[in-house]
Amino acid sequence: DVKVTQSSRYLVKRTGEKVFLECVQDMDHENMFWYRQDPGLGLRLIYFSYDVKMKEKGDIPEGYSVSREKKERFSLILESASTNQTSMYLCASSLEGGGSLQYFGPGTRLLVL
Amino acid sequence: GQNIDQPTEMTATEGAIVQINCTYQTSGFNGLFWYQQHAGEAPTFLSYNVLDGLEEKGRFSSFLSRSKGYSYLLLKELQMKDSASYLCAVRKNQGGKLIFGQGTELSVKP
Repeated sequence: DVKVTQSSRYLVKRTGEKVFLECVQDMDHENMFWYRQDPGLGLRLIYFSYDVKMKEKGDIPEGYSVSREKKERFSLILESASTNQTSMYLCASSLEGGGSLQYFGPGTRLLVL
Repeated sequence: GQNIDQPTEMTATEGAIVQINCTYQTSGFNGLFWYQQHAGEAPTFLSYNVLDGLEEKGRFSSFLSRSKGYSYLLLKELQMKDSASYLCAVRKNQGGKLIFGQGTELSVKP
């Protein structure tokens, strides 16, 4: 079974703090993705990565950065958290090619006060 | 541009059949996924269509018409545990990126 894990299920941070969200997958997938999910807006892609040390902007990258130093790990960084970044953050991974089925982690619910 | 539309909410009765529609407008279409997401949980894969027609998998079926930019997910013999959000997602030609609709919240009533 593919397993995608995220470092925290719930997180509370203060405005201006630097926040790290970690994602690890154990199936040697090339592709990894970070989404945020908000009511009425669905899943929106923040950043994705096709390979180690490689990253591409998604649809809403502003206020975020990412790091992929190892194939199995993809980190999302909020350099200076703001209240409008309160959301559910979902990580996903997939193999290159084929149907590109994405497997999701359990999500991190982040509250920025 | 790209646009994916699905109804926000649907209600159905236990034991019945429900059809959730998804329409899309996107360049470089290369497949459509349906995911199920229970409240507070991760989305899980239900079905994938890349060619026109119906794919059946137990109580769930998914249909695709590429010429019409249209798909539906059909759930038969509804059970209470089918109450969840159903996400339609389109894969574009470039890489593994998916574009998601906002999801349809399905409530199954006794």
